[in-house]
Amino acid sequence: QQPVQSPQAVILREGEDAVINCSSSKALYSVHWYRQKHGEAPVFLMILLKGGEQKGHEKISASFNEKKQQSSLYLTASQLSYSGTYFCGTEDGGATNKLIFGTGTLLAVQP
Amino acid sequence: GAGVSQSPRYKVAKRGQDVALRCDPISGHVSLFWYQQALGQGPEFLTYFQNEAQLDKSGLPSDRFFAERPEGSVSTLKIQRTQQEDSAVYLCASSYSGGLMNYGYTFGSGTRLTVV
Repeated sequence: QQPVQSPQAVILREGEDAVINCSSSKALYSVHWYRQKHGEAPVFLMILLKGGEQKGHEKISASFNEKKQQSSLYLTASQLSYSGTYFCGTEDGGATNKLIFGTGTLLAVQP
Repeated sequence: GAGVSQSPRYKVAKRGQDVALRCDPISGHVSLFWYQQALGQGPEFLTYFQNEAQLDKSGLPSDRFFAERPEGSVSTLKIQRTQQEDSAVYLCASSYSGGLMNYGYTFGSGTRLTVV
């Protein structure tokens, strides 16, 4: 089952904040976050391995609520370079180790 | 190499033609994945290799799709008798992780396949 992301799209002005949510119907071992710019490969941002863990990457951070099977990505003081489509990828820790990618969130940062 | 390399970058195939897509992962990366990405969608899992062993091929859409990684490095995704619905970007990714994904994926730039 594909994780569901919300919102589907968001438009920001430079310097504004945004939150992207990822919700799974399955118990999760880990959540990954990736950003993909148009015509390019997805780029790894961060991985969260433990329930409740919060990680940071410059002005981008994320949390993982294992019980709720949810993760959120926080973008603060957004920059033009943050524009792109964000995907969460979830792993259930089962027999195979593949990531199932979410529905995607298109983020556009305007000057 | 420094990154994951895929070739060709673009491929136009006539319906019914066979195609072969190549992926050269980062040296030393144990895991290799193939994903299919339709326009505006997230990557969809096709198959997974741990070294030369194909541990999961549950995402391959039909028996026209075949993947191999004979020496645990370079991988080839082959599509036989291509059909229009096969048109998509095919992404290859590799990871240092050999089991649970404690490390992120590094994706290649993909091969855009168009079947006409």
